[in-house]
Amino acid sequence: AQTVTQSQPEMSVQEAETVTLSCTYDTSESDYYLFWYKQPPSRQMILVIRQEAYKQQNATENRFSVNFQKAAKSFSLKISDSQLGDAAMYFCAYRVMYSGGGADGLTFGKGTHLIIQP
Amino acid sequence: DTAVSQTPKYLVTQMGNDKSIKCEQNLGHDTMYWYKQDSKKFLKIMFSYNNKELIINETVPNRFSPKSPDKAHLNLHINSLELGDSAVYFCASSQDVSGSSLPGELFFGEGSRLTVL
Repeated sequence: AQTVTQSQPEMSVQEAETVTLSCTYDTSESDYYLFWYKQPPSRQMILVIRQEAYKQQNATENRFSVNFQKAAKSFSLKISDSQLGDAAMYFCAYRVMYSGGGADGLTFGKGTHLIIQP
Repeated sequence: DTAVSQTPKYLVTQMGNDKSIKCEQNLGHDTMYWYKQDSKKFLKIMFSYNNKELIINETVPNRFSPKSPDKAHLNLHINSLELGDSAVYFCASSQDVSGSSLPGELFFGEGSRLTVL
């Protein structure tokens, strides 16, 4: 069974600083996607960034970037220039995609609560 | 327009009652899901439907029964509610046909907070 591990239940960072959230996963599949979702207090699940396993280049979305290490099964999220609005729960998630077009659902980690200190 | 909408957003009920949560997506997606988020914020998949066909059915009590009248709707009915059913239930959808703009991403509704007293 696939598992996703987020070892940091809570992280705190000063506004404008950089923070890295860690995520590791366990799988025997070769074709999959990795995601970081953000859940602010409003509880809406918002996609932050995604990475296809077959791509070696790390994904970036403005201030958000990932460090994808496929051999190590590691997928960390770096947030640069942290802003108060970044405060939220961050979930790492994994999803197997099948060549026939089907897919499993998302498997989530337990989340990291990110606190932004003004 | 809300892409994935759930009703109701909040639901408070007594133990033993039966309740339903409805979900609709206007994204034209072919797959829909129900997730449960417990008090520790852990998200776990419950069910998945693809074009009205059940494809994922995780280990959940038989009291939970999904129903998909068409591919834009996935409802969740819960019989004989128990205290442990208190959680936030999320509906989500995805389009997993190759060639779509963002294959793999799930779009979530705002969640329905169920409180069983």
